[in-house]
Amino acid sequence: QVQLVQSGAEVRKPGASVKVSCKASGYTFTSYGVHWMRQAPGQGLEWVGVTNPGGHTSRYAQDFQGRVTVTSDTSTSTVYMEMRSLRFEDTAVYFCARERGEGASRYLDPWGQGTLISVSS
Amino acid sequence: SSELTQDPAVSVALGQTVRITCRGDSLRDDYASWYHQKPGRAPLLVIYGDNKRPSGMPDRFSGSSSANTASLTITGAQAEDEGTYHCFSRDSESRLYVFASGTEVTVL
Repeated sequence: QVQLVQSGAEVRKPGASVKVSCKASGYTFTSYGVHWMRQAPGQGLEWVGVTNPGGHTSRYAQDFQGRVTVTSDTSTSTVYMEMRSLRFEDTAVYFCARERGEGASRYLDPWGQGTLISVSS
Repeated sequence: SSELTQDPAVSVALGQTVRITCRGDSLRDDYASWYHQKPGRAPLLVIYGDNKRPSGMPDRFSGSSSANTASLTITGAQAEDEGTYHCFSRDSESRLYVFASGTEVTVL
């Protein structure tokens, strides 16, 4: 079955970087985009960015432009999200999800289990 | 506006009907999708393309859309339907993606 499995929880100090992985299985990796979202404690979902593993192109929400890089490794069917210059407010659960649909109908299914990133001094 | 907005919370009696709305200019051009999230869990797709259900999703969940508003209706709400429902679509200006703030549903 289609599955996205994320790497485990991480703790970082302010100013550091973190790289989260999202390993896909059960489908043709290069045929679907993968999105990243985050959810701070007690808050809603915030869209971070999307990558096209087939074309190696990525786009980011304005709030993350220049601080986040999403890449993909087709040899291992894994997408990575790296965030730099971490701040306390980056503490959140980060999710990846496969994009489906086309044109004006894009949706996310399935989702990874989530990865908690804690930024603490 | 490029944002999507949802009411923060709604309650529904067991077995009754509740409608959750999502408003935004981008919904005139792009379909919304809806996700159900329980505490400590990843979101789960409920409705896509405004009114389509993924395989296995109970038919008490339905979607609709009119002008700048997408709606998710739960007809005959069950206890397991409690949680937060998130609306997702595109930003009308940047054409990137955006979530609304979510609606917490309580089944009484």
